[in-house]
Amino acid sequence: AQKITQTQPGMFVQEKEAVTLDCTYDTSDPSYGLFWYKQPSSGEMIFLIYQGSYDQQNATEGRYSLNFQKARKSANLVISASQLGDSAMYFCAMREGYTGTASKLTFGTGTRLQVTL
Amino acid sequence: DTEVTQTPKHLVMGMTNKKSLKCEQHMGHRAMYWYKQKAKKPPELMFVYSYEKLSINESVPSRFSPECPNSSLLNLHLHALQPEDSALYLCASSQWPGLEQYFGPGTRLTVT
Repeated sequence: AQKITQTQPGMFVQEKEAVTLDCTYDTSDPSYGLFWYKQPSSGEMIFLIYQGSYDQQNATEGRYSLNFQKARKSANLVISASQLGDSAMYFCAMREGYTGTASKLTFGTGTRLQVTL
Repeated sequence: DTEVTQTPKHLVMGMTNKKSLKCEQHMGHRAMYWYKQKAKKPPELMFVYSYEKLSINESVPSRFSPECPNSSLLNLHLHALQPEDSALYLCASSQWPGLEQYFGPGTRLTVT
């Protein structure tokens, strides 16, 4: 079974609008972390936001927020006030196990976001 | 400063060549990673170093040989590669294992 599922291969959003990128995950480990990364066409992976499984509040970083619904096993990324520079591939990823132990980051297949004028 | 540097940016090598990829970070991070990424696919983990010791090897063929000479440096030695090994090779580091990883710009490798 897929550990991380991103069901939207591509999304369009108008500049200045908000957009939600979906991510669902599957794990039986009580301790895990969820990450979102942005990959522009240049290739570099840019860390955006992190949510730990025990965090009570949804993570926010500037225009990025993570809508964490633990019971539904979803960790959607919300980008507010989209900008042309937000056009990129976005990956959701999960780490299983506690912070501090060597562990694997598993990525979803990604969502390509295009911001239009 | 969250900079991870990788050299070279591009590499073309023949199947009989030996080459090395280099990754460096000066953030005091204690975990470093190598990933391979094919076009239009997510990155795939190859190796994890924690506290300068190899802690995860994702069943990578022996023609890829990692090395961590010190806490700031990570190398990937390449020997007798196949054309299907052509990909973007990404290095990353994190302050501790399991925390958010910061990636370098990658080395685009072509095996001819």
